[in-house]
Amino acid sequence: AQSVAQPEDQVNVAEGNPLTVKCTYSVSGNPYLFWYVQYPNRGLQFLLKYITGDNLVKGSYGFEAEFNKSQTSFHLKKPSALVSDSALYFCAACDSNYQLIWGAGTKLIIKP
Amino acid sequence: EAGVTQFPSHSVIEKGQTVTLRCDPISGHDNLYWYRRVMGKEIKFLLHFVKESKQDESGMPNNRFLAERTGGTYSTLKVQPAELEDSGVYFCASSQGTRRVGQETQYFGPGTRLLVL
Repeated sequence: AQSVAQPEDQVNVAEGNPLTVKCTYSVSGNPYLFWYVQYPNRGLQFLLKYITGDNLVKGSYGFEAEFNKSQTSFHLKKPSALVSDSALYFCAACDSNYQLIWGAGTKLIIKP
Repeated sequence: EAGVTQFPSHSVIEKGQTVTLRCDPISGHDNLYWYRRVMGKEIKFLLHFVKESKQDESGMPNNRFLAERTGGTYSTLKVQPAELEDSGVYFCASSQGTRRVGQETQYFGPGTRLLVL
């Protein structure tokens, strides 16, 4: 079965430190991969996506993600975390039926 | 440009009652999607409209769920009769429809939080 895994329910990072939110996928074919963020009482906001090309994708708010085909991963990264980055982050992959398959989400907490 | 809007933001109903959720997509977006997230779990696809037609409704849980998209504009999702396991956050999203489905960025509404007691 096709799936997306976010192995960490919560990630805690000190402000100014680099952050990584992990995502691995099991999707047939060449995957389309996405990261979305949900701030409290808000809808999901698009951060970035990988369709093809350069494995390092840059997105909104200084975030980037690296597509690693051999490890079937698409980890989200940011060099220097801000308190305002605290939110719920979702990884998603487009499956062979062109449906988005989602991870369970990772709560990111940035402490001042 | 107005984003995707959903109404109501919250709904608390009793088991057996009917609830209708509404989604207004971004103007001009042909694709409209419904998703559901049960507490703490992954977001699940429910269905996909292209204009007024149901392109894919394979994620609809059962026949208690009915989705419509009149005239290819706004969409409604009706749950009748509601059961306890229907509780969750229902998200609507839209995308333009100019690129291949799956490649397009989907724009999400804030969600409707449904609680069935």
